[in-house]
Amino acid sequence: EVQLVQSGAEVKKPGESLKISCEASGYTFTNNWIAWLRQVPGKGLESMGIIHPADSDARYRPAFQGRVTFSVDGSTNTAYLQWNSLKASDTAMFYCARLSGGVSFDIWGQGTMVTVSS
Amino acid sequence: DIVLTQSPLSLPVTPGEPASISCRSSQSLLHPNGYNSLDWYLQRPGQSPQLLIYLGSNRASGVPDRFSGSGSGTDFTLKISRVEAEDVGIYYCMQSLQTPLFTFGPGTMVDIK
Repeated sequence: EVQLVQSGAEVKKPGESLKISCEASGYTFTNNWIAWLRQVPGKGLESMGIIHPADSDARYRPAFQGRVTFSVDGSTNTAYLQWNSLKASDTAMFYCARLSGGVSFDIWGQGTMVTVSS
Repeated sequence: DIVLTQSPLSLPVTPGEPASISCRSSQSLLHPNGYNSLDWYLQRPGQSPQLLIYLGSNRASGVPDRFSGSGSGTDFTLKISRVEAEDVGIYYCMQSLQTPLFTFGPGTMVDIK
């Protein structure tokens, strides 16, 4: 079964760092871009950017450039989303998704809820 | 960024009846390859979004044939021929013309009357 399994919910304080994960299985990890998307509670979906597992080519939406870092580990078929210094405004559900054919998110992770509060 | 608008934003439906959602883009989504870079997703309550329709009119794997997508350029429509109770949730259109600046519409909440 093709699936993306994300790490569990996190509660952090402002200024702390965080790295969440997205483990792929059931397909060749290096064949597809992985996207990260944000959904603020009660709001819509926003794409943050994409990363290609074959060469770690990462492309960020300008609003997220410099605020987050995408990475991958090909040995474990895992993609990561990292923050160096969280803000309360980073509180959201974060999804990873597989980009199919360069045009559609055909497989989604279950989401990781990140809460940043003092 | 390309801006997508959806209407209606809320759609109460009766099981067995048809339903339709519109998505309009601030610029044409017709790719030079002839395909429209417009997808439809359904996010059921408490779940991750799932792909319903890709490239404007192609049903994703496992999606019931009561769902259909149509349109071209800047105007698109998602139709449900006969709504079922499991179809409740928020429907989003998304453009993939500007990779990686994918953008979503605001969503249409579909619930049962």
